[in-house]
Amino acid sequence: AQSVTQPDIHITVSEGASLELRCNYSYGATPYLFWYVQSPGQGLQLLLKYFSGDTLVQGIKGFEAEFKRSQSSFNLRKPSVHWSDAAEYFCAADFSGGYNKLIFGAGTRLAVHP
Amino acid sequence: SAVISQKPSRDICQRGTSLTIQCQVDSQVTMMFWYRQQPGQSLTLIATANQGSEATYESGFVIDKFPISRPNLTFSTLTVSNMSPEDSSIYLCSIGQGENIQYFGAGTRLSVL
Repeated sequence: AQSVTQPDIHITVSEGASLELRCNYSYGATPYLFWYVQSPGQGLQLLLKYFSGDTLVQGIKGFEAEFKRSQSSFNLRKPSVHWSDAAEYFCAADFSGGYNKLIFGAGTRLAVHP
Repeated sequence: SAVISQKPSRDICQRGTSLTIQCQVDSQVTMMFWYRQQPGQSLTLIATANQGSEATYESGFVIDKFPISRPNLTFSTLTVSNMSPEDSSIYLCSIGQGENIQYFGAGTRLSVL
């Protein structure tokens, strides 16, 4: 079955440190890929997306993600984390060829130490 | 992107009752979706709300439990019927808008006692 895996449930980093959140999707045709962030008590905000083309995509809030077909991965990165980045991050994939059927990973909760 | 408003933002309900959640968009959109996020869990798609026709439900979700209306291109409702504590979740609506992207409302936090 098609799936999205986020191996890390919780990650803690120090403010100013770099960040990488992992995301893997099940094998097969490359889906459309997304990263969303959910701050406490809020809905989901789209950080970035990958459909095709350049495998390094830039998003909002200084985030970027790299698509690696050989690893079926779409990891999210940020060079320097701010305390306001503490939130839950969801990787999602649309395997339906653009019919908007999103499958979400379990999420990674990010804590930022001062 | 469009502005998505969900009401109520939170509610506490008694078991056996029903709650209707509203999702209003400030522009016409073709696709609207309803998701459930159980405590500490990820999001699961409940159904696609189709304008002028019955919603399309995902496996594990049925119309009797989660009736959905979509009277026009800017509005949808999700009703959680005959609630039990297991229905305590965040319910989110989303819209599909251009480039196969979904945008989400702030969600409705439901607690069932």
